[in-house]
Amino acid sequence: DQQVKQNSPSLSVQEGRISILNCDYTNSMFDYFLWYKKYPAEGPTFLISISSIKDKNEDGRFTVFLNKSAKHLSLHIVPSQPGDSAVYFCAASGLTANSKLTFGKGITLSVRP
Amino acid sequence: KAGVTQTPRYLIKTRGQQVTLSCSPISGHRSVSWYQQTPGQGLQFLFEYFSETQRNKGNFPGRFSGRQFSNSRSEMNVSTLELGDSALYLCASSERTGYNEKLFFGSGTQLSVL
Repeated sequence: DQQVKQNSPSLSVQEGRISILNCDYTNSMFDYFLWYKKYPAEGPTFLISISSIKDKNEDGRFTVFLNKSAKHLSLHIVPSQPGDSAVYFCAASGLTANSKLTFGKGITLSVRP
Repeated sequence: KAGVTQTPRYLIKTRGQQVTLSCSPISGHRSVSWYQQTPGQGLQFLFEYFSETQRNKGNFPGRFSGRQFSNSRSEMNVSTLELGDSALYLCASSERTGYNEKLFFGSGTQLSVL
């Protein structure tokens, strides 16, 4: 049972435009959410996170929005750059000491020059 | 600081064999987690070790096991390999254990089972 869902396997956008990557979750106990980026032949790297007490978190070109009632979060990249082309994983965790990160299947973003 | 180091990078085994993967965390990090990445399933949690104790375990069969040493280095073992075990195995470390700890991943070990 996939508790973190990234339903679109891929996304292609033009350089300079906005990239919007979506993520849905089913477990209402999830309270902390993260995005990781992965290039081929490398491990995932942390991008940005958000806790349930917020609905938005920004870091430079990256903004994550959280809609708890809809159990939905999204990552906005503005403006998109060719170097952003990678696989993006959404991950979620509950607020307990033993909670583990649950990842989605990932979205492959391609930014066209 | 050196990053998370995983060895070997590539491994080819045959069904029924066993394999041991190694992970050296970032210096000072005491938590090590292991994940399996396959094209169809994304990253799936295997287990987490903190101070030599397994703190959490995913839904994998008992053929998958791990351990952590006093220097925080960790090993993962898979016995009686099956074709479906072919995957990228990722190790991640963090300073502490907890829901909001940022994970730092290694580049992974690509295991192919023939």
